Amino acid sequence: NAGVTQTPKFRVLKTGQSMTLLCAQDMNHEYMYWYRQDPGMGLRLIHYSVGEGTTAKGEVPDGYNVSRLKKQNFLLGLESAAPSQTSVYFCASSYSTFRLSTDTQYFGPGTRLTVL
Amino acid sequence: KNEVEQSPQNLTAQEGEFITINCSYSVGISALHWLQQHPGGGIVSLFMLSSGKKKHGRLIATINIQEKHSSLHITASHPRDSAVYICAVSYSGAGSYQLTFGKGTKLSVIP
Repeated sequence: NAGVTQTPKFRVLKTGQSMTLLCAQDMNHEYMYWYRQDPGMGLRLIHYSVGEGTTAKGEVPDGYNVSRLKKQNFLLGLESAAPSQTSVYFCASSYSTFRLSTDTQYFGPGTRLTVL
Repeated sequence: KNEVEQSPQNLTAQEGEFITINCSYSVGISALHWLQQHPGGGIVSLFMLSSGKKKHGRLIATINIQEKHSSLHITASHPRDSAVYICAVSYSGAGSYQLTFGKGTKLSVIP
């Protein structure tokens, strides 16, 4: 099993450009998450999904959109990149099928994004 | 705002030392997680606990629900333990599968 994979690993954008980050998991997990990690701050939840076809906003959703058309994939989109979106982005997934889950989250390797 | 506080922020130890990293949180939780982030950036889950104590190799995690506090201990520390250790909690109630993270403790173990 590959676990959780992210594409790409690195990317440099100019302000105003758009891009999509792809997260894929092969563990048949229901829940998937996108986080950003900035220096001096804890991981912050951008968006999450509790199943195929569902998405919800996290703590810092502005400037991002997501889609979960297939259970194994969770896409994070930046429509018009800004320097404030320079960060390391992590995708994660967890198994649970019930609402009050506390299952372990499995993390991808991260995508380092720089917006000039 | 529900917060997770870790201490210390940075920790340098000599190889072989016993290490303790602390985590405190503000309200009731469903579970507390300890994560390790390697220098290369990858994040792995070490423990998930809701009460008592768990042990895996040289790592021990404890939680005191009444005091809203958890500790991660590393016995006989080794340079390969150098990493950032992150505490995260699932708060009780709606959306408890969502995690709130501490800022991490950067551990450096010197040979």
